[in-house]
Amino acid sequence: DTGVSQDPRHKITKRGQNVTFRCDPISEHNRLYWYRQTLGQGPEFLTYFQNEAQLEKSRLLSDRFSAERPKGSFSTLEIQRTEQGDSAMYLCASSNRGSPSGEKLFFGSGTQLSVL
Amino acid sequence: AQSVTQLGSHVSVSEGALVLLRCNYSSSVPPYLFWYVQYPNQGLQLLLKYTTGATLVKGINGFEAEFKKSETSFHLTKPSAHMSDAAEYFCAVILSGNTPLVFGKGTRLSVIA
Repeated sequence: DTGVSQDPRHKITKRGQNVTFRCDPISEHNRLYWYRQTLGQGPEFLTYFQNEAQLEKSRLLSDRFSAERPKGSFSTLEIQRTEQGDSAMYLCASSNRGSPSGEKLFFGSGTQLSVL
Repeated sequence: AQSVTQLGSHVSVSEGALVLLRCNYSSSVPPYLFWYVQYPNQGLQLLLKYTTGATLVKGINGFEAEFKKSETSFHLTKPSAHMSDAAEYFCAVILSGNTPLVFGKGTRLSVIA
């Protein structure tokens, strides 16, 4: 079990640029989640996948955000035309259940985005 | 609407003292409840969870939490704090069905020698 991996660990970008983050879940996990965390706040749900299907998206996920999980394995989160308000820690988590009730999420260490 | 509320953004205790971190939820049906811990520069780790059954749940590192439906609470406790317990603690809830895990704002625990 290598855990959930996220890349890069840190990303500094200029406002208006596009950025893409990658998440590699635990290999046998069928669910993958993206959360965003800002300083002093708990993680906020963005979206999640079951296998390659994106099942839910938060209202926090504006049109500038897009997530994919093309083969049901790794996932990417892209932010287009970044804004300073996008600066946050982006967390990925995975789990292995058919239903979220009572499931245990395994989190990666996150990607810290700073938009200048 | 906030589904889970953590009382106190920062709690400070002396080493060896009781740790009590408070969490209340808002739900008309019994939710699934979790406590996660986040150490500096590390990912979130599950401490314990309540789904059904026994209302007193024991987790890792000597922590436990009790689900009290009448009080809509799920407070986290540890009898004796250790310096290594210093971290950010998050209460989280799954309200129903396929809803995602919703986190509280977190409580930072400091342990004083």
